[in-house]
Amino acid sequence: KNQVEQSPQSLIILEGKNCTLQCNYTVSPFSNLRWYKQDTGRGPVSLTIMTFSENTKSNGRYTATLDADTKQSSLHITASQLSDSASYICVVSSTLTGTASKLTFGTGTRLQVTL
Amino acid sequence: DADVTQTPRNRITKTGKRIMLECSQTKGHDRMYWYRQDPGLGLRLIYYSFDVKDINKGEISDGYSVSRQAQAKFSLSLESAIPNQTALYFCATSDPRTGGNTIYFGEGSWLTVV
Repeated sequence: KNQVEQSPQSLIILEGKNCTLQCNYTVSPFSNLRWYKQDTGRGPVSLTIMTFSENTKSNGRYTATLDADTKQSSLHITASQLSDSASYICVVSSTLTGTASKLTFGTGTRLQVTL
Repeated sequence: DADVTQTPRNRITKTGKRIMLECSQTKGHDRMYWYRQDPGLGLRLIYYSFDVKDINKGEISDGYSVSRQAQAKFSLSLESAIPNQTALYFCATSDPRTGGNTIYFGEGSWLTVV
């Protein structure tokens, strides 16, 4: 069964600090891995998409890594801001065309950035 | 204005009632989706459509129906709502020709069935 597991479930950090969120998956065959940010009560917004051949991808202060051999990904947030407080969802696609019916969603990591 | 608009944003309905959630998009995408999100669970696909009048079941389609009468609109219906359909529902769109088939989500519709 295709699964995406994220850790930790929740995290509290001080503003300005860095943090790393983890994603392990057992989805096969693998097509791409996506990270989304979901503010409370809002829809998820795409941060990064990585294919099999990509090891790292950045979007501002967000850097995602992918190790397709160990089926692990991480999302590193640098110099956190209060606006980074949100849930971060890891999503793995198991088809070459990215058909939505083959997307497996993680349950997310809830990040809270405090003063 | 949002590219993917859902109405209503919040609704409380009684068990057994029919409820429709509507979605419209201005992105010009052919592909549209309905997901539900429950606490402690990842988003799950209910139905999806790749074109007008094209309808495909997702992983949890039982108890739901959809209609795609126009490219920009995709509606989700609960014919006879039950309490375990209480959830946050998201409409989404995508275009496989651009951006690695990024999924664009609406703002969500909170549905409570009492």
